[in-house]
Amino acid sequence: QVQLQQWGAGLLKPSQTLSLTCAVYGGSFTGYFWTWIRQPPGKGLEWIGEITHAGRTSYNPSLKSRVTMSVDASKNQFSLNLNSVTAADTAIYYCARGQYKREYWGQGTLVTVSS
Amino acid sequence: QSALTQPRSVSGSPGQSVTISCTGTSNDVGGYDYVSWYQQHPGKAPKLMIYDVSERPSGVSSRFSGSKSGNTASLTISGLHIEDEADYHCSSYRSGSIWVFGGGTKLTVL
Repeated sequence: QVQLQQWGAGLLKPSQTLSLTCAVYGGSFTGYFWTWIRQPPGKGLEWIGEITHAGRTSYNPSLKSRVTMSVDASKNQFSLNLNSVTAADTAIYYCARGQYKREYWGQGTLVTVSS
Repeated sequence: QSALTQPRSVSGSPGQSVTISCTGTSNDVGGYDYVSWYQQHPGKAPKLMIYDVSERPSGVSSRFSGSKSGNTASLTISGLHIEDEADYHCSSYRSGSIWVFGGGTKLTVL
């Protein structure tokens, strides 16, 4: 049974850095793409980017200048950093396993950016 | 503005069928067979319902089916149940190693 558990700060001020981590329990960590997706309140999903167990990344061009993803394969964890946040970054952030077949998702973390 | 276009809402009665469309371009939906569909109930994480245009993950009801024609993908739900009422999101691979989503469709079961 694969489970993804995520955590990170839920309230940020403008210009701060959003940091989230997702831990993977059960199943293999290698051989998959690990993804971050966000959902602004009342809106649709937005792909932020993905990382492999080896650290190869691909980012949404609209966020690329502010996003960094990393992986700690020894702990079966991967992380998201988004710098210089604004109110437009307020959203529920999800981690998920896979690209075209995202069967497993984290519980979601509401991140609010407010002064 | 989302990368893929979905109707904002659709509705149907229990037992009926509904189809939700997802329109992109030849750089995403039309060019690759990597369309997936997610169901999302309020306050919950999305759940994968269809991948690779028409494949169903284990445990997903056969009432859910997917198809594609040109630049438009479709999700059809047959024999609507009350519990099918949810938001539905489509996703596709886009050239350049990125992934895009639609804006989501709210399904109301009347």
